[in-house]
Amino acid sequence: DAKTTQPTSMDCAEGRAANLPCNHSTISGNEYVYWYRQIHSQGPQYIIHGLKNNETNEMASLIITEDRKSSTLILPHATLRDTAVYYCIVRVDNYGQNFVFGPGTRLSVLP
Amino acid sequence: DAGVIQSPRHEVTEMGQEVTLRCKPISGHNSLFWYRQTMMRGLELLIYFNNNVPIDDSGMPEDRFSAKMPNASFSTLKIQPSEPRDSAVYFCASSSPVLGAGELFFGEGSRLTVL
Repeated sequence: DAKTTQPTSMDCAEGRAANLPCNHSTISGNEYVYWYRQIHSQGPQYIIHGLKNNETNEMASLIITEDRKSSTLILPHATLRDTAVYYCIVRVDNYGQNFVFGPGTRLSVLP
Repeated sequence: DAGVIQSPRHEVTEMGQEVTLRCKPISGHNSLFWYRQTMMRGLELLIYFNNNVPIDDSGMPEDRFSAKMPNASFSTLKIQPSEPRDSAVYFCASSSPVLGAGELFFGEGSRLTVL
């Protein structure tokens, strides 16, 4: 079972920041938060992950609350190509542990 | 670097026929995953391997499904006999906890249609 809850869908204007929330209130101390996205008909793509510190890479930023019960993925300047389903996953970073995907958030970036 | 390579990209077959899907993981990755995606059920894990050994096959629907990984660079998912309800996109993914953060790298998928 997925251990996260996300809104079903969100809209964002092109050029604006897209903030995608994720609740993971039962997260354990050794579980990481991973974000993936799936653009229509393609395989899911890794975006970012973190444990408790905020993380940033060339694609996005990840903000994790101090109690680690929720997080937000931020796409700083959304483009039409960011339209996709975004998945938030919690997972122990152990060798070979699988990823359980929930339904995710369908983000539509509007012109 | 070549990513995860899956074949065929599209397969249309008739009920009762055998279907074999193939996957070549990224070189150096030692974990391999098979997922299935449908509109109704989303993305489901079928089975995963570590170092060519099946670790968890609890997601395999029934005995009609089987998966093998004879070596580190090749895996197959076989459905025999196929049924219309097996129609889905099948994704293969690989990862390496040593080379990266253990994130999954997915192939482009094999779209299966069983008539």
